[in-house]
Amino acid sequence: EVQLVESGGGLVQPGGSLRLSCAASGFTFSSYWMSWVRQAPGKGLEWVSNINEDESEIKYVDSVKGRFTLSRDNAKNSLYLQMNSLRADDTAVYYCARERPLGARYFDYWGQGILVTVSS
Amino acid sequence: EIVLTQSPATLSLSPGERATLSCRASQSLGSSLAWYQQKPGQAPKFLIFDASNRATGFPARFSGSGSGTDFRLTISRLEPEDSALYYCQHRGAFGQGTKLEIK
Repeated sequence: EVQLVESGGGLVQPGGSLRLSCAASGFTFSSYWMSWVRQAPGKGLEWVSNINEDESEIKYVDSVKGRFTLSRDNAKNSLYLQMNSLRADDTAVYYCARERPLGARYFDYWGQGILVTVSS
Repeated sequence: EIVLTQSPATLSLSPGERATLSCRASQSLGSSLAWYQQKPGQAPKFLIFDASNRATGFPARFSGSGSGTDFRLTISRLEPEDSALYYCQHRGAFGQGTKLEIK
């Protein structure tokens, strides 16, 4: 059974940093692109970043470029999102999601989500 | 940048009726579109891919159609548990969602 479990969320002050983790199991993690998708309270879904199997391709939405860094450790079946210079509009539930193969960026499995709150 | 526009924003129907949700793209997507279902307090679930292929776990009552810039999600014989938000998606773009209420 595919499982994605996020951790590392919480309350942080504006300008602060947080590192999200996603532990994957039930599939060959090293064979899949992975993404983070976020959802601000009461709002819709926003794709944040994705990474290919060997970290040679990493993409970000414009609003987080230069502030967020995505990485992975295939030996530990884990995905990481380092978030720096956090702003109030980064407040959201962050979902780790597996991308379906063949490059269409469909998200076929999602974690339960982790809340990040940026507030003073 | 591709923009996806979903309509209507809210759809209220009765059990047994048919729901038709629309997603319009700002430029042609071919058939590269997905749909997701999200219930309150839950993560989204992968529902439809490549415009018309149903993902594992959803019954045949759920169907997708369309290509180019106009896509539809049709849910026949509505059941109360179909109440949810439905999002369309193409690569890094999501629609704003349609809230389906079954009363």
